[in-house]
Amino acid sequence: EVQLVESGGGLVQPGRSLKLSCAASGFTFSNYYMAWVRQAPKKGLEWVATISTSGSRTYYPDSVKGRFTISRDNAKSSLYLQMNSLKSEDTATYYCARGYYDGYYHSYYFDYWGQGVMVTVSS
Amino acid sequence: DIMLTQSPATLSVTPGESISLSCRASQSISTNLHWYQQKPNESPRVLIKYASQTISGIPSRFSGSGSGTDFTLNINRVEPEDFSVYYCQQSNSWPRTFGAGTKLELK
Repeated sequence: EVQLVESGGGLVQPGRSLKLSCAASGFTFSNYYMAWVRQAPKKGLEWVATISTSGSRTYYPDSVKGRFTISRDNAKSSLYLQMNSLKSEDTATYYCARGYYDGYYHSYYFDYWGQGVMVTVSS
Repeated sequence: DIMLTQSPATLSVTPGESISLSCRASQSISTNLHWYQQKPNESPRVLIKYASQTISGIPSRFSGSGSGTDFTLNINRVEPEDFSVYYCQQSNSWPRTFGAGTKLELK
């Protein structure tokens, strides 16, 4: 059974840093792209970051580029999100998601999601 | 960035009705469009991939269609457990984007 379990959330002051973790199990972690998707309170979904299987390629939207860093440790089946210079608008539930790559379409969709971890940025 | 516009924002229906939800892309995304369902206090789950492909374990009453810029999620005879929020998401280009969602509520 595929499981994705996030941790590391909490209350943090604006301008400070926080690192989220996602422990994966039930599949060969190194074979999959992984991503973070967030959801502000009572708002929609926003993609935050994606990392390739080896970790050599990373992708971010402009809203977090230069502040957030996605990384992975395939030996530990773990995904991370280092968040620096946090802003109040980063307050959200952060989901770890697995990217299932389809070779025919040369793209992927999110086929499994974790339960999410809350990050609150406030003074 | 590719913008996805979902309509309506809210749809009030009675169980047993058949409905269609719309997702329109600001530029062509071929069939790189996926639908997700999010129930209250739960994580999203994928319903339809690549516009019309089914997902194992998802009830057959859910179907998708479309290509290019116009996409539709159909629910044939809504069940009580279907009342939730539905999102579309494109994987055609970076940055990945989601629609704002359609809330399906009980009339």
